[in-house]
Amino acid sequence: EIVLTQSPASLSVSPGETATLSCRASQNIRTDLAWYQQKPGQGPRLLIFEASTRDTGVPARFSGSGSGTEFTLTISSLQTDDFAVYYCQQYNNWPPWTFGQGTKVEIK
Amino acid sequence: QVQLVESGGGVVQPGRSLRLSCTGSGFTFRSYALHWVRQAPGKGLEWVAVISYDGSNRYYADSVKGRFTISIDNSRNTRYLQMNGLREEDTAVYYCARDPHIRAGGPGFDLWGRGTLVTVSP
Repeated sequence: EIVLTQSPASLSVSPGETATLSCRASQNIRTDLAWYQQKPGQGPRLLIFEASTRDTGVPARFSGSGSGTEFTLTISSLQTDDFAVYYCQQYNNWPPWTFGQGTKVEIK
Repeated sequence: QVQLVESGGGVVQPGRSLRLSCTGSGFTFRSYALHWVRQAPGKGLEWVAVISYDGSNRYYADSVKGRFTISIDNSRNTRYLQMNGLREEDTAVYYCARDPHIRAGGPGFDLWGRGTLVTVSP
């Protein structure tokens, strides 16, 4: 089973600033990585797949990068709507599909 | 409107059973694989099970194997998760999520429902 480790667990950022979230895989997953945003009381929303491809309708301030075992989600010019929990997920080696433990982006 | 809607959650005692439903609308449900993912209170996401578009392939997390069964009814645009032998650690919000590929393994889960809460308590 591939383990995904996200860091940091939480991040305090002021609106307008940039947030950088990391996800590390326990083995090489090429670019088979997705990022999700989850707000309280809602199901997750797919933001990024193939490590760097934005899903339909996702604003350009969300960008993903990385390959192999190291991945980054960058949120530029944070807006109040972006404060949420973010999860990475791998789909390289399944089952099982696995998720990171999440990073909570909070308002500073 | 393209959406998934879960139903069937509730409060049950340990050892009892519950069946969850996931209904799709606004798209051709039979053309996608469908996952169940759960989230214990205050915790992260845990993948539970998946079924291919035609029901021919099914996979389960080790934590539910032998107790949960995923099934399909394309005539009703519905997928089910039959949960038997429930344990307190199965308490969670259960989401259904669409896989872009017919047999699963697609790039992420591109559509999620709002979830249904299952509480297993004595």
